[in-house]
Amino acid sequence: DSGVTQTPKHLITATGQRVTLRCSPRSGDLSVYWYQQSLDQGLQFLIQYYNGEERAKGNILERFSAQQFPDLHSELNLSSLELGDSALYFCASSSGGGSNTGELFFGEGSRLTVL
Amino acid sequence: KNQVEQSPQSLIILEGKNCTLQCNYTVSPFSNLRWYKQDTGRGPVSLTIMTFSENTKSNRRYTATLDADTKQSSLHITASQLSDSASYICVVSAWKYGGSQGNLIFGKGTKLSVKP
Repeated sequence: DSGVTQTPKHLITATGQRVTLRCSPRSGDLSVYWYQQSLDQGLQFLIQYYNGEERAKGNILERFSAQQFPDLHSELNLSSLELGDSALYFCASSSGGGSNTGELFFGEGSRLTVL
Repeated sequence: KNQVEQSPQSLIILEGKNCTLQCNYTVSPFSNLRWYKQDTGRGPVSLTIMTFSENTKSNRRYTATLDADTKQSSLHITASQLSDSASYICVVSAWKYGGSQGNLIFGKGTKLSVKP
């Protein structure tokens, strides 16, 4: 158990809909990262938050947004869903967030299926 | 451009055999290199983290090597078990984040299948 909690584990929805994925980092970790992993693909970095502020942005679509709350949990919002958004979405946390990221701990992921 | 390339893309070995996975990187300035194991449909789990000054690091049957001069790393698995079947991901961290990926650059992974 990494200590990173993601909900929901599975989600099935229709095209055009909006969903929210939630992540609780390990106790004490200030950084939260979101990754997308499509079938048989590598992990694609979406966005990083550090102590409530956006720290780095990756290949995140404009239809997607995220935030980190004062209690350090994070939410990833996916809107106007398309079939191609079907993927595993992973959250990871680390204690650092600056130029030297500490060890990364991943959650078990949220599997999104868009029909 | 910061990149991490892994080879082979996939590998099938028999239970009990050894294998070596490769990782080449062009990341600068280098901070550390990590190997993760990802079981199918699960989150990646850290195996090792190596800094510039470390040449070898072991974690049970996993041994990682790092050659910072040639910018190469390998992950050697000894006496493979069926539970070693997974994807192994090489991740390199840069001292300063740059580009669009922050300061962690992921390889695409090597998919290992261990057969009985």
